[in-house]
Amino acid sequence: DAKTTQPPSMDCAEGRAANLPCNHSTISGNEYVYWYRQIHSQGPQYIIHGLKNNETNEMASLIITEDRKSSTLILPHATLRDTAVYYCIVRVGSNNAGNMLTFGGGTRLMVKP
Amino acid sequence: NAGVMQNPRHLVRRRGQEARLRCSPMKGHSHVYWYRQLPEEGLKFMVYLQKENIIDESGMPKERFSAEFPKEGPSILRIQQVVRGDSAAYFCASSPGSIAGVYEQYFGPGTRLTVT
Repeated sequence: DAKTTQPPSMDCAEGRAANLPCNHSTISGNEYVYWYRQIHSQGPQYIIHGLKNNETNEMASLIITEDRKSSTLILPHATLRDTAVYYCIVRVGSNNAGNMLTFGGGTRLMVKP
Repeated sequence: NAGVMQNPRHLVRRRGQEARLRCSPMKGHSHVYWYRQLPEEGLKFMVYLQKENIIDESGMPKERFSAEFPKEGPSILRIQQVVRGDSAAYFCASSPGSIAGVYEQYFGPGTRLTVT
């Protein structure tokens, strides 16, 4: 799987948009960008994933650059409950052997009142 | 639809004892992954199983650790002769095997193993 690079930490004011960047310059054509988050000691929570088009769901939006070398996860109106470590993961979109999730250091997002 | 269930949530074992961790995947999911998170570290993949088959165990220590996912019942991660370094949070994740394009993994709440 392609390596990803994320800032170790970010702060965001409650109610504002949180924009979390991720670089994945070695991504392959068949690799998806997945985002998960882990709220203090809980199990990781799936947020969103995409291949090349921008994606939106009830939790967040995912913006992928045209060259696919970077992406941004957007939480439109951050709340205190969004304080967590956010992981950007690149992997092939299938259930074949070896397609485990490889977690890096992630970005520790602190939402402040 | 209940999520991934893990039990026990907390497990304390003395050095040398055995630890058995159980994972019930989401309904309809036939793929199970186990991950380990050491204190203050990220999650590391251990093993990937489908019903009655180990697909990838490249992340699992060669000794003392084993995993199974029988035809009936939960997936079991077994650690024999536990040592203090096994103290960690163990997370199970499941994904569906037959729904086209759906490969997200959904995680359970984890089992926190403490070896004294």
